[in-house]
Amino acid sequence: QSVLTQPPAVSGAPGQRVTISCTGSSSNIGAGYDVHWYQQLPGTAPKLLIYGNSNRPSGVPDRFSGSKSGTSASLAITGLQAEDEADYYCQSYDSSLEVFGGGTKLTVL
Amino acid sequence: QVTLRESGPALVKPTQTLKLTCTFSGFSLTTSGMCVSWIRQPPGKALEWLARIDWDDDKYYSTSLKTRLSISRDTSKNQVVLTMTHMDPVDTGTYYCARTNSADYFGAFHIWGQGTMVTVSP
Repeated sequence: QSVLTQPPAVSGAPGQRVTISCTGSSSNIGAGYDVHWYQQLPGTAPKLLIYGNSNRPSGVPDRFSGSKSGTSASLAITGLQAEDEADYYCQSYDSSLEVFGGGTKLTVL
Repeated sequence: QVTLRESGPALVKPTQTLKLTCTFSGFSLTTSGMCVSWIRQPPGKALEWLARIDWDDDKYYSTSLKTRLSISRDTSKNQVVLTMTHMDPVDTGTYYCARTNSADYFGAFHIWGQGTMVTVSP
């Protein structure tokens, strides 16, 4: 059972917008800790997608955006593309230790 | 260019101790703000953070696994070593090392190794 709760799966058609939630508590996200998001393609290591709640590393398309409010965070993907099909993980801190969400599998229909 | 590479046994027996090595380049682990963590992923399951060692040699462990884990570094070899005792089949998975820098990317895991698969079986 992960400290951060994500929906196991989401799906959307090409061109659509999808969101992935990451729900925590007052000891992690609600305590003010930053939330980061990672994309993991099959058979590869995770790749940093969003850092510090809403910042994109260089090279990440602006179709990806992040937000945080209270004890939750969200990842939004607009203009869905087939190549976005992957697993997505949120990460934050709980009592100063790193914690991950349970992951969300995104299927592009 | 910053790189990390994990190495270690692909197969261990139950009750044995696992020793994994993360060999890195492109940065010094003694530079303020630099940290290296170990993260694992059972097949088809989620990422799980295990341990972290910081630039000042402070060490942090997953609450649920801290009695079985030990992390150390060899700064002369640019290596971080993770040992995990009392291995069990549920510990099977891919083990990653990853770098964070508190002065960059808000401390997110920006650089990852490719991972090493460990199977625990008699």
